[in-house]
Amino acid sequence: KAGVTQTPRYLIKTRGQQVTLSCSPISGHRSVSWYQQTPGQGLQFLFEYFSETQRNKGNFPGRFSGRQFSNSRSEMNVSTLELGDSALYLCASSLLTVVGETQYFGPGTRLLVL
Amino acid sequence: GQQLNQSPQSMFIQEGEDVSMNCTSSSIFNTWLWYKQDPGEGPVLLIALYKAGELTSNGRLTAQFGITRKDSFLNISASIPSDVGIYFCAGVAGNNRKLIWGLGTSLAVNP
Repeated sequence: KAGVTQTPRYLIKTRGQQVTLSCSPISGHRSVSWYQQTPGQGLQFLFEYFSETQRNKGNFPGRFSGRQFSNSRSEMNVSTLELGDSALYLCASSLLTVVGETQYFGPGTRLLVL
Repeated sequence: GQQLNQSPQSMFIQEGEDVSMNCTSSSIFNTWLWYKQDPGEGPVLLIALYKAGELTSNGRLTAQFGITRKDSFLNISASIPSDVGIYFCAGVAGNNRKLIWGLGTSLAVNP
């Protein structure tokens, strides 16, 4: 079974621009979560989508948004980029079973804002 | 946001040594997960724990869900150079299903 895929893998943008990142979950997984990872800050939760609805949200400004499509693929968008948005953005898909829920991560998109 | 207390922050060991790291929380958790992340890649799930007291192995890795449900540990036996990376613990508390993350343990192995 194919894993979580994220595109693009690397991206360079300038301040003020906007960016859209894409994530395709593992087949059959309906939940997609997004994280921002920066050195020393660990993984910071952005939001989670399930069946095209945002189910959970982290403490990020409104410049960060996302959506999920009917095929469970998800996109996140960051508008008016700031230097501090440079980070590795990780997408994870999960499947809830009777035992519990586990998240599986994609390779991430490394965003550099100049 | 809320984070788990993961220790140690970093370790430098000789090949063949055993490694132990742990995560603690002031809250009760329902799930504990251990991940390993290589540079430039996403975290890869190593072990998932769903019941208090559960002890699970994955090759040379062993993890336990603490009886109090407020901690978990990961052991790596007979370390090898490819064990190098950052190990993260993550847990789920309550019914909000949000994963809470530790800041990671950076492991270096000297061949």
